[in-house]
Amino acid sequence: SQKIEQNSEALNIQEGKTATLTCNYTNYSPAYLQWYRQDPGRGPVFLLLIRENEKEKRKERLKVTFDTTLKQSLFHITASQPADSATYLCALLNTGGFKTIFGAGTRLFVKA
Amino acid sequence: DTAVSQTPKYLVTQMGNDKSIKCEQNLGHDTMYWYKQDSKKFLKIMFSYNNKELIINETVPNRFSPKSPDKAHLNLHINSLELGDSAVYFCASSQPAGGKETQYFGPGTRLLVL
Repeated sequence: SQKIEQNSEALNIQEGKTATLTCNYTNYSPAYLQWYRQDPGRGPVFLLLIRENEKEKRKERLKVTFDTTLKQSLFHITASQPADSATYLCALLNTGGFKTIFGAGTRLFVKA
Repeated sequence: DTAVSQTPKYLVTQMGNDKSIKCEQNLGHDTMYWYKQDSKKFLKIMFSYNNKELIINETVPNRFSPKSPDKAHLNLHINSLELGDSAVYFCASSQPAGGKETQYFGPGTRLLVL
């Protein structure tokens, strides 16, 4: 069955460092991979989308890589800030975009 | 203006009751979804509607019945509520065509079944 694993339930880092979150998947060939941010008590908010034929995508302090051979995506936040503390969800989409599979998320804590 | 709105935000009810959650989006999207997020924060798709038609039904008990009166609304009715239905339910919408596959989520409805 299709499965997504995000590297850890929680990640603690110091302010200013780069946070790296991992998303691995099996038994799936996604057309797209997305990363969302979810704050407590709120719905997920879209951050970045990367297509299967793209290796890397950047947006301000965020960078996503997508390796379809390894079936893995890495999500980096550079120069992390306490405001970056949240849960980050990896999501896979098929071509039609109607079915999205979410990972369980990684809770990031950035200490000042 | 709120893009995706849900009502109610909180719902506390007794086992066996029937309840509804409403969702509206003002983004002009063709596709709407219902997700369930359980206590372990795992977000799982339940239903997907495209242009008012059911596209995905992910082995959800038939006590759950979605209804889409128009493209902007997708409501969720739950019959005979059970303890295991306690979770946060999120509505979302998207426009899958043309590379704009971003999903916009509502604030969630926190359902507690006693």
